Amino acid sequence: RKEVEQDPGPFNVPEGATVAFNCTYSNSASQSFFWYRQDCRKEPKLLMSVYSSGNEDGRFTAQLNRASQYISLLIRDSKLSDSATYLCVVNRGYNKLIFGAGTRLAVHP
Amino acid sequence: ETGVTQTPRHLVMGMTNKKSLKCEQHLGHNAMYWYKQSAKKPLELMFVYSLEERVENNSVPSRFSPECPNSSHLFLHLHTLQPEDSALYLCASSVGLAGDSNTGELFFGEGSRLTVL
Repeated sequence: RKEVEQDPGPFNVPEGATVAFNCTYSNSASQSFFWYRQDCRKEPKLLMSVYSSGNEDGRFTAQLNRASQYISLLIRDSKLSDSATYLCVVNRGYNKLIFGAGTRLAVHP
Repeated sequence: ETGVTQTPRHLVMGMTNKKSLKCEQHLGHNAMYWYKQSAKKPLELMFVYSLEERVENNSVPSRFSPECPNSSHLFLHLHTLQPEDSALYLCASSVGLAGDSNTGELFFGEGSRLTVL
């Protein structure tokens, strides 16, 4: 079993749609959690951290459920520029980051 | 423009060749990483260096040999590779590893795409 599991997608949504991605992790000792974004043929970049209380950054909302070992990302009012692969990431500690395989999002006009 | 630069961007090599990938970070960070990204697979952590000292070797075959001469430079020496080693090799850096530096934020280079024939 992979340590971080994501639905690979692709999610094909129209502009303006709301889309949600889910992720589960298996190591209960994981310390912190993140979403990274990777554009086609580009390097991954940190999108946002994920906190137990939930956190929001503009159109993006992240949630963490430690009991269920479940992480989510909600994107509201999707833009064409949101098209990318979204990587769920857990930190085992000392910045040892374990990545999911990613969920691909394609936003169309 | 990325603060982490990798060269070469593309490399084709035969199984008997010896080549090296180079990474340089201009961010003043103390930790550097090598990750491997194969198609439709998660990024795989290969090596972690902190202040030029290797702190993680994630069961990587010995045909991959890292070198960190200083905190700004990281190399991956390649020797007798197999076709299944063809992948995108990503270098990353972070402020550090522990305490306030354990932020989960890695800064990646654009990668070196390796093809082994």
